[in-house]
Amino acid sequence: GDSVTQMEGPVTLSEEACLTINCTYTATGYPSLFWYVQYPGEGLQLLLKATKADDKGSNKGFEATYRKETTSFHLEKGSVQVSDSAVYFCALRQGNLIFGKGTKLSVKP
Amino acid sequence: DVKVTQSSRYLVKRTGEKVFLECVQDMDHENMFWYRQDPGLGLRLIYFSYDVKMKEKGDIPEGYSVSREKKERFSLILESASTNQTSMYLCASSTGVPLADTQYFGPGTRLTVL
Repeated sequence: GDSVTQMEGPVTLSEEACLTINCTYTATGYPSLFWYVQYPGEGLQLLLKATKADDKGSNKGFEATYRKETTSFHLEKGSVQVSDSAVYFCALRQGNLIFGKGTKLSVKP
Repeated sequence: DVKVTQSSRYLVKRTGEKVFLECVQDMDHENMFWYRQDPGLGLRLIYFSYDVKMKEKGDIPEGYSVSREKKERFSLILESASTNQTSMYLCASSTGVPLADTQYFGPGTRLTVL
């Protein structure tokens, strides 16, 4: 069945460091891909999405490109801030949403 | 602004109790979902609903039931709570647009079953 695999955390970075969180997927057909973020004590909220191959989603300085050839949707940010500390979930949708297990990011000042 | 609310942020119940978790959305969304979130397992879909009085089983429906009598409200019911149902429960909603619809999540209910 469809599945999402993302890198395990926790990931700890210093402020202004570069971030990459890897996400790969297995799916029949052409799913839509998402990154959701969960800040401490809150529910999930959509960070960015892409609906077809080569689409790039971007928001709040984060980017991810839908790579069909490598079945990947890696999340990147050039310079992280303390306020980016959260749990990040990669997800695909082909019917219902299927989530990865989440990656906890901690950014230190 | 989009809003999904859940009746409680924290709940403590005893084994065997009947538990109701309530979710309300104010966006006139057709679709509503219940997930549970556990460390190392991510989010798993329990039940979802595409319309009033309609429900579909998700990946882990055992031990749960749901009710959707009104469009804005989706209830999750634990008929006889057990300790392995201790978890964070997240409700979400989305429009009926079939492709790439965004789900909007509530803040979650952390349920502890003693």
